[in-house]
Amino acid sequence: EDKVVQSPLSLVVHEGDTVTLNCSYEVTNFRSLLWYKQEKKAPTFLFMLTSSGIEKKSGRLSSILDKKELSSILNITATQTGDSAIYLCAVEVRGEKLVFGKGTKLTVNP
Amino acid sequence: DAGITQSPRYKITETGRQVTLMCHQTWSHSYMFWYRQDLGHGLRLIYYSAAADITDKGEVPDGYVVSRSKTENFPLTLESATRSQTSVYFCAATAANSPLHFGNGTRLTVT
Repeated sequence: EDKVVQSPLSLVVHEGDTVTLNCSYEVTNFRSLLWYKQEKKAPTFLFMLTSSGIEKKSGRLSSILDKKELSSILNITATQTGDSAIYLCAVEVRGEKLVFGKGTKLTVNP
Repeated sequence: DAGITQSPRYKITETGRQVTLMCHQTWSHSYMFWYRQDLGHGLRLIYYSAAADITDKGEVPDGYVVSRSKTENFPLTLESATRSQTSVYFCAATAANSPLHFGNGTRLTVT
């Protein structure tokens, strides 16, 4: 059975802190790993990772995939209250299907 | 660019009733999906479709029916709603090698 595990499940930090969210997976037929941010509505796409060791960056967010360790991390530097959300990790398996982890709920306090 | 439109946004129904959730995409993406999101379970795949007239079960298909007669529409029907089907339902679509994009969801309550 394909499985994606995220840690921690929740995290509370202060504005300005740096956070690291973890995602590990056990799947057959890995194709890519994706990160999404979910606020009140639909998940919105952040990153898609296919190659090991290549960092993807967007502003204060960055992510990297380690295929040897079957894991990925999402870093957020200089956090802001607007970063408060649930961060979802998903692995694409065959047929364009995504298997999701349960998410990490990040709360950034002012 | 509307992307994916789900309707209704909110629905309350009674146990045993049939209810259909609608999903329409303005793109022509081949792949469409239905997920449900519940506290403690995250997003779970109900059904997906690789093209018009091609559908397949996901992780939690029991109690649901889908159809895809046109590429842009992918309705989800609960044939006889149960309380355990109270959830937030997301429709999503993607083209090959592209990230999945979601609709805004339908919050369904079964009383």
